[in-house]
Amino acid sequence: SQQGEEDPQALSIQEGENATMNCSYKTSINNLQWYRQNSGRGLVHLILIRSNEREKHSGRLRVTLDTSKKSSSLLITASRAADTASYFCAVLNAGGTSYGKLTFGQGTILTVHP
Amino acid sequence: DGGITQSPKYLFRKEGQNVTLSCEQNLNHDAMYWYRQDPGQGLRLIYYSQIVNDFQKGDIAEGYSVSREKKESFPLTVTSAQKNPTAFYLCASSPRRAGQVNEQFFGPGTRLTVL
Repeated sequence: SQQGEEDPQALSIQEGENATMNCSYKTSINNLQWYRQNSGRGLVHLILIRSNEREKHSGRLRVTLDTSKKSSSLLITASRAADTASYFCAVLNAGGTSYGKLTFGQGTILTVHP
Repeated sequence: DGGITQSPKYLFRKEGQNVTLSCEQNLNHDAMYWYRQDPGQGLRLIYYSQIVNDFQKGDIAEGYSVSREKKESFPLTVTSAQKNPTAFYLCASSPRRAGQVNEQFFGPGTRLTVL
């Protein structure tokens, strides 16, 4: 079954509000990454959190990781209309090998209304 | 979209024809990847390559083939054996540090429609 499943599937908020997206996964991981995709475009890497980290910040982004619950959350503070996009989490499980693959979730569609 | 280019942006092909999608990067990354994205879905890994002249099957490799003759190039061929090839195809690359995957850099994608 797929790892990195996001919740909610869609989120609609007003400009200035905070947006929170959650990601759950099933197995142990090396790191968890969040990506953003504007409609019809490629993905852009936002932030990476390693399995031994609990929280990470980057500008208006805050990511938390709870390995005991196998979950992560992405918080976007003071959202802007330009934040409208799909957001994906991706988990890396190297599985004891020298190379790991990223497994992506289905994404959360965020719409920020001006 | 960083230093990764994909061409063409839109591609139309008749059923039964093979088609090759181009992916080039100038980031000097060792690892390259091909993903497929269907509407409303996440990305699924087709093939990946850690180094020149080496590549591995991903989760949905059937009906696809790749080559990695140069570090900067990783073309994907969608063959007639692929039962449902219409999709958005994304190429990515990643620096390979200590054997682990770090962040990936994506191209703009190619939207393939098979008529």
